[in-house]
Amino acid sequence: GESVGLHLPTLSVQEGDNSIINCAYSNSASDYFIWYKQESGKGPQFIIDIRSNMDKRQGQRVTVLLNKTVKHLSLQIAATQPGDSAVYFCAEQADDKIIFGKGTRLHILP
Amino acid sequence: DAMVIQNPRYQVTQFGKPVTLSCSQTLNHNVMYWYQQKSSQAPKLLFHYYDKDFNNEADTPDNFQSRRPNTSFCFLDIRSPGLGDAAMYLCATTQTSGHEQYFGPGTRLTVT
Repeated sequence: GESVGLHLPTLSVQEGDNSIINCAYSNSASDYFIWYKQESGKGPQFIIDIRSNMDKRQGQRVTVLLNKTVKHLSLQIAATQPGDSAVYFCAEQADDKIIFGKGTRLHILP
Repeated sequence: DAMVIQNPRYQVTQFGKPVTLSCSQTLNHNVMYWYQQKSSQAPKLLFHYYDKDFNNEADTPDNFQSRRPNTSFCFLDIRSPGLGDAAMYLCATTQTSGHEQYFGPGTRLTVT
């Protein structure tokens, strides 16, 4: 995916609800996908990854889904907590290059 | 313990005055990346090294150069910073393709 624009889309979720963040990627040759969390003033932090031979991978409270047919990636966060508030980026890798997609700002409502 | 270290965390330079940002890693990873991140945007890949092999992105301006004297260190040189180069510069490493990427805390560059 290509990063465009100056305004990040925002997803507002009630604390305790599940969050779903979506991402479209661009390169059909990409074979590895990553979700990152970035808090203000910090570098991106790895959350979970998935290889192109899989369509689902679960971690602690997070699940990544990969649909290669439509080049779509999603991140599901279960029981969203205040500490989940951040910007989330998907990234795709092909030939050692890791390219970031557009970010989504996750805002937690009390 | 910090695994990817960037110095300085904040750098102020004057318009046109060369500046160097540094990155070091304790992970012994083969691949090192430099990204530029502007406010509310995704990190944009500038270039990366696989060992000593340098790979420049097609749209990275010539004003940006990089050096990797050894496995542990990688430098970003901005030869003549413009106001548009003010951004967060992120260094990252990975062992090889298909593995987790580790980011440093970034250097925030201000151009006056």
